[in-house]
Amino acid sequence: SQKIEQNSEALNIQEGKTATLTCNYTNYSPAYLQWYRQDPGRGPVFLLLIRENEKEKRKERLKVTFDTTLKQSLFHITASQPADSATYLCAQYNFNKFYFGSGTKLNVKP
Amino acid sequence: GAVVSQHPSWVICKSGTSVKIECRSLDFQATTMFWYRQFPKQSLMLMATSNEGSKATYEQGVEKDKFLINHASLTLSTLTVTSAHPEDSSFYICSALGALLVMNTEAFFGQGTRLTVV
Repeated sequence: SQKIEQNSEALNIQEGKTATLTCNYTNYSPAYLQWYRQDPGRGPVFLLLIRENEKEKRKERLKVTFDTTLKQSLFHITASQPADSATYLCAQYNFNKFYFGSGTKLNVKP
Repeated sequence: GAVVSQHPSWVICKSGTSVKIECRSLDFQATTMFWYRQFPKQSLMLMATSNEGSKATYEQGVEKDKFLINHASLTLSTLTVTSAHPEDSSFYICSALGALLVMNTEAFFGQGTRLTVV
């Protein structure tokens, strides 16, 4: 079955730096990947979607890349702020289900 | 974006009682709703998928008689945890897909419900 893997359980960075989170998938390439943000005690909130024919997508300080050769998506937050601290999930929708990674907890220190 | 409202946000119940959690799509018709369970520091575990007007499809290992799901209308799905036990204590989250959202297929999530069984 398809697996979505986020290798880093936690990532600590200094305010102002760029945070880079990794999402890898096994088996077949999804048509698109999604990234969500989840704050403690809250449901996930959709951030970005990138399709397999898109190399890169941007939204304000967020950037997502999709490399079908490496079977990987990278999620970047530039000029990070303490308010960016949260858990970030990548996900794929296929066969009428969402497959989520385990998430990476980002801590941005002031 | 579309809004999904989940209620209650937290509930404490006694062991052996039943608890109902509601999930409503406020500004779109949700043809499909998903129910997840999430343990601390873990990802979302899909429990079941429900389509309006039909029986829910449960994931392997999820007891359908314990976790009753009803999707009676295009804007409301409910999850009832029957005869709750302390091990059912968890964070339950619903998400919804609407027919018009299928092209983008982003999931809209409820706020989650923290269930504590004492």
